[in-house]
Amino acid sequence: EADIYQTPRYLVIGTGKKITLECSQTMGHDKMYWYQQDPGMELHLIHYSYGVNSTEKGDLSSESTVSRIRTEHFPLTLESARPSHTSQYLCASSEYKGWRDEAFFGQGTRLTVV
Amino acid sequence: GENVEQHPSTLSVQEGDSAVIKCTYSDSASNYFPWYKQELGKRPQLIIDIRSNVGEKKDQRIAVTLNKTAKHFSLHITETQPEDSAVYFCAATNQAGTALIFGKGTTLSVSS
Repeated sequence: EADIYQTPRYLVIGTGKKITLECSQTMGHDKMYWYQQDPGMELHLIHYSYGVNSTEKGDLSSESTVSRIRTEHFPLTLESARPSHTSQYLCASSEYKGWRDEAFFGQGTRLTVV
Repeated sequence: GENVEQHPSTLSVQEGDSAVIKCTYSDSASNYFPWYKQELGKRPQLIIDIRSNVGEKKDQRIAVTLNKTAKHFSLHITETQPEDSAVYFCAATNQAGTALIFGKGTTLSVSS
């Protein structure tokens, strides 16, 4: 079944560690996004990509980086995790079909930095 | 860049009442305005959307209206039910149409 997958679902990591959050989609979408969301709160756009080898920063400065080497894969890397990075990270993908640009979200990765 | 403001941040209604959530956007080039519903512990899902050349769209108990001149759009839920309780997000595309910018969300609580 076509879907968007995020791993890990939960992660507890020490301050200063480097981590990569994985996101893969099997829907063949060109556009992919990373959002940061505290429970029930605002969705902050941190990175997006509109195709292979394209990456753009969103409005939230998160001290993270992304890459888009393959259409289906859009990993997010934190070079040095800090307690302020504790949050939920949602990956999404979308593609224009006619006029509609529906975004499909992954289950999220809940990150805790101690 | 695009900025989307959403009000109110919380809304409590009695079952059967109507609920209205309002959003404004800053970029006049935006042309697509979706609404997402996020239930507790779940991922956001699209519930209704509208394009810029349409003023109103209805789907059963939910409707969305768009005023391009004033740059605001609204979600209307009629005959609310407890299962409508969730966080609702409005969104608009950025100028290039390459990303969705979300509002801060409205927590809707429907009590029976």
